[in-house]
Amino acid sequence: DIVLTQYPGTLSLSPGERATLSCRASQGVSSSYLAWYQQKPGRAPRLLIYGASSRATGIPDRFSGSGSGTDFSLTINRLEPEDFAVYYCQQYDSSPFTFGPGTKVHIK
Amino acid sequence: EVQLLESGGGVIQPGGSLRLSCAASGFTFSSYAMSWVRQAPGKGPEWVSVISGSGGGTDYADSVGGRFTISRDNSQNTLYLQMNSLRAEDTAVYFCAKGAKSNYYNQFDYWGQGTLVTVSS
Repeated sequence: DIVLTQYPGTLSLSPGERATLSCRASQGVSSSYLAWYQQKPGRAPRLLIYGASSRATGIPDRFSGSGSGTDFSLTINRLEPEDFAVYYCQQYDSSPFTFGPGTKVHIK
Repeated sequence: EVQLLESGGGVIQPGGSLRLSCAASGFTFSSYAMSWVRQAPGKGPEWVSVISGSGGGTDYADSVGGRFTISRDNSQNTLYLQMNSLRAEDTAVYFCAKGAKSNYYNQFDYWGQGTLVTVSS
């Protein structure tokens, strides 16, 4: 199984700042089959990024993804109040399609 | 507008069975793989099972293999998860999630609101 590790576990930032979240895979994720999701309390996850760097429909351009192989990152420029949430990376390269443990971005 | 509406959750005793349903609308259901993803209280999401658009292929997480069965009725635009031999560790919110393509290897671009399954005596 591909194990995903996310860091930091928690990020404390102010609105307007930049957030950089990392996701490391235990083995290479081919074809960059790596997605990022945002989840708010009591809600379903929402797809932000797929293919490591492509924004999903309707996602603002302040969200960007990068990386390949085993190291990936999600950057949120100019944090808005609605961006404070938990973010998960997920690989869909091989079954089981694993998720990382999440990074919580909260207001400083 | 894509909509996914899960139902069938509830409280069930260990060893019991439950069938979840997910009614889909707003897209050509048979053209897309569908998955079930669960999330235990306070934990991250865990992928459970996937079925191809045609229904001809399925895959399961090891934690549920042999106990859960995924299926779909493309004429009714409905996804199912039959859960047998339920354990306390199966307690979670169960989400149905639409794949972006017909095969397994794609991101989940739409999710339902989830249905809570509680396994407890």
